[in-house]
Amino acid sequence: KQEVTQIPAALSVPEGENLVLNCSFTDSAIYNLQWFRQDPGKGLTSLLLIQSSQREQTSGRLNASLDKSSGRSTLYIAASQPGDSATYLCAVTGGFKTIFGAGTRLFVKA
Amino acid sequence: EAEVAQSPRYKITEKSQAVAFWCDPISGHATLYWYRQILGQGPELLVQFQDESVVDDSQLPKDRFSAERLKGVDSTLKIQPAELGDSAMYLCASSLVSAGEYNEQFFGPGTRLTVL
Repeated sequence: KQEVTQIPAALSVPEGENLVLNCSFTDSAIYNLQWFRQDPGKGLTSLLLIQSSQREQTSGRLNASLDKSSGRSTLYIAASQPGDSATYLCAVTGGFKTIFGAGTRLFVKA
Repeated sequence: EAEVAQSPRYKITEKSQAVAFWCDPISGHATLYWYRQILGQGPELLVQFQDESVVDDSQLPKDRFSAERLKGVDSTLKIQPAELGDSAMYLCASSLVSAGEYNEQFFGPGTRLTVL
């Protein structure tokens, strides 16, 4: 059974800092891994999709990597801003199943 | 920009009452998902449709929950009767394909359900 873990559960950083969020999964037989952002009381916004054949994806200040063999993905956020404050969730899809982690709550202090 | 639509955004009901949520996926997306998200946790899949057919409903509490997507476009999720433990955010998502590397999911704004 696939299990997805996100560490840390919460993170507080000063504005301008570069940071890394971690996502680990137990079953490497995945099709893809997707990173989402969720603001309080809102739906999920897709940030990046990494296909199983890819090693990384970039969008603006965001860079996500995938290492299937070790069951890990990282989301790198460069030059963090207060507007980046949100919960970041990773989700892995294998077969017809999508399993989410519990998320990392990020707070960027001005 | 194409979006997943959901209504209502908020619903307050008393236990034992019936509630229904509606979702309209992005046009052309054959796959539709209903998730439940309890505060502080990640979303959990309740049911997945491919067109009008159910692909996975293994986590759907079938004694009280039902879902349909009659014409393979919009979908309704129903709870009857609602219980206190059903209080959560109900999220709808859609994707162009049902599986594989290109299965990128797009979410709606969600329905926040409170059962009193």
